[in-house]
Parts: sequence; structure tokens; C-alpha cells
Amino acid sequence: EAQVTQNPRYLITVTGKKLTVTCSQNMNHEYMSWYRQDPGLGLRQIYYSMNVEVTDKGDVPEGYKVSRKEKRNFPLILESPSPNQTSLYFCASSLSIHRESYNEQFFGPGTRLTVL
Amino acid sequence: QKEVEQNSGPLSVPEGAIASLNCTYSDRGSQSFFWYRQYSGKSPELIMFIYSNGDKEDGRFTAQLNKASQYVSLLIRDSQPSDSATYLCAVTPGGGADGLTFGKGTHLIIQP
Repeated sequence: EAQVTQNPRYLITVTGKKLTVTCSQNMNHEYMSWYRQDPGLGLRQIYYSMNVEVTDKGDVPEGYKVSRKEKRNFPLILESPSPNQTSLYFCASSLSIHRESYNEQFFGPGTRLTVL
Repeated sequence: QKEVEQNSGPLSVPEGAIASLNCTYSDRGSQSFFWYRQYSGKSPELIMFIYSNGDKEDGRFTAQLNKASQYVSLLIRDSQPSDSATYLCAVTPGGGADGLTFGKGTHLIIQP
């Protein structure tokens, strides 16, 4: 089954304790992205990757890191989480993203993170 | 700053009626426009995309785009209770930039 998976689905942690949220897709997609969703603020892009070893900042990158060592995986790293990073996080992927030819973004199931 | 504006709602529509959802965007160079549906606590799923001015129909859904007015809408005909969800408008930026900018969504309630 074609899908985007995220782990963990739920996480409660404490301030300053490094964590990683994994994201994996089995569709051979080039483009992958991380979003956070907060009440009243909607979906905001954190980081995205056009392909292996190519990553770039989205609208709210502060406090996050990503890597793209393999095409299928795009982990989100919080080196020192803070309470303002409590949010619902979504990973998404698409075959490619190009100005003239855009392909559907498939979203993972989401990771609900609470930082105490 | 790229902006995508939607009325947050809730928008309440009787079952069987037409639901009309609206979205405006600030980036005049935007090329591609998307409507996603999101049920509470779930991930967004794509319903429609549109690139050209005019209407695009897919089953009960019609997307309408007017680039001159920087306006995109989604019509849902014969609304069903299962259509109750938050609808997110998303826009690709102009100038060859990457990514999607999402509106904050409109909460739609279909009343049985």
C-alpha cells in the first residue's frame, strides 16, 4: 500500500530532551516536507526537501533540523524541544514539485507532540 | 509575505444543499491551487486541484479559479453529513519558488 508513515504518533516529552520524529514514504517520491498545525494558525511548513541531500527552510524552521540521506526517509529533529513546539506535525511527500507540473502531496497520519 | 485567506466558519449548510467555500490569495504569481479536506484529528487529503481560470468539476465537487481577482472557490453539491470537515485552500508560490502555502481552513458543518 502506497503511504507515508510517521513515528511516533503520540509523544510527550520534557523541555530540552532531544527527539526525532521519523517519516518514511514508499512511493519513490522526490519531494518531502514537514508541517506543523496549530489551532488558529493552520498548517505551516517547517522544512522541505526536493531530493536526497537537498533541504530548505520553510516558513517556521527555528528549533528544527532535518536530513535527507535516503530518498524514502525525512526525519524531523528537535535538538532542544521547548513548550512552544507542542503541536500536531505532518510529514508529506509528492512525486515532484515544479512550477508547471505539480503533483498531489500525500500526508502522513500526524504526530501529536507535547513538550512539558 | 504570501497569504492565503479563508473564512474560518463554521459554515453551516443543510443536507442536500450546495456548500460554497471561498479562498483569496495575495501572490499574483501563484500558479496552482488546491483544496484539501481534513477531518478532525486526521491528515489532509486532496479533493481538487486547478491550474487554469474557470471551472473544474469532479463528481459533486467544482473548483472555480479567477486569477484576475485572486480568488478560488470550492462548491460541494448535494452536501452530505460526511462532508462535514475543515477545508484547506493551498496555493503554490509564484516566481518558481517551492512548497505550498495553506489557508487556515474553513470548518464546514452539514446539518442533517
